[in-house]
Amino acid sequence: AQSVAQPEDQVNVAEGNPLTVKCTYSVSGNPYLFWYVQYPNRGLQFLLKYITGDNLVKGSYGFEAEFNKSQTSFHLKKPSALVSDSALYFCAVRDSGGSQGNLIFGKGTKLSVKP
Amino acid sequence: DVKVTQSSRYLVKRTGEKVFLECVQDMDHENMFWYRQDPGLGLRLIYFSYDVKMKEKGDIPEGYSVSREKKERFSLILESASTNQTSMYLCASSLTSASGELFFGEGSRLTVL
Repeated sequence: AQSVAQPEDQVNVAEGNPLTVKCTYSVSGNPYLFWYVQYPNRGLQFLLKYITGDNLVKGSYGFEAEFNKSQTSFHLKKPSALVSDSALYFCAVRDSGGSQGNLIFGKGTKLSVKP
Repeated sequence: DVKVTQSSRYLVKRTGEKVFLECVQDMDHENMFWYRQDPGLGLRLIYFSYDVKMKEKGDIPEGYSVSREKKERFSLILESASTNQTSMYLCASSLTSASGELFFGEGSRLTVL
């Protein structure tokens, strides 16, 4: 069965410092991995995805994520956090050999960036 | 840009009422989804549809039904609303591609009294 774990409910970072939001996954085949961001009372916005190729994926708003197959991880990173990055972040996975539909989402990590 | 529009951002209904949540997408996507989002539980799939008049149950379909009469529109129906259906409901759409991301609407926050 596919699953996603986001081990931290909340991450606190000072503005200007680097941030990391962790994600690990489990699929039977090759993973397609996604990150989304949600601002208060809004829908989810797509940030980036890993399908194949370079393990470092760059996305919107200066975010990037590193795919690590041996550790089954796909951590979200940003070199210098902004207060406006404060939001709820979701990691999601789909098995490349499975259903073409649904994504499996983690429970979300709340990122708080303080000035 | 893909646009997924949910007709109601905020609704307040009474127990036992029938509730319709409407979702429209403008990018000719084959797949459409309904999720509910609750604190600490993340997103849980209620139903999805991969074609007109087709539907598949997700993880938590009990108490819900759906309708997809046109490709662009996917409706979620609560036949008899209950207080435990108070939640944020999110609609999404995607192309039929395993590598395709989901595009989400702004959400409908339903309160059942």
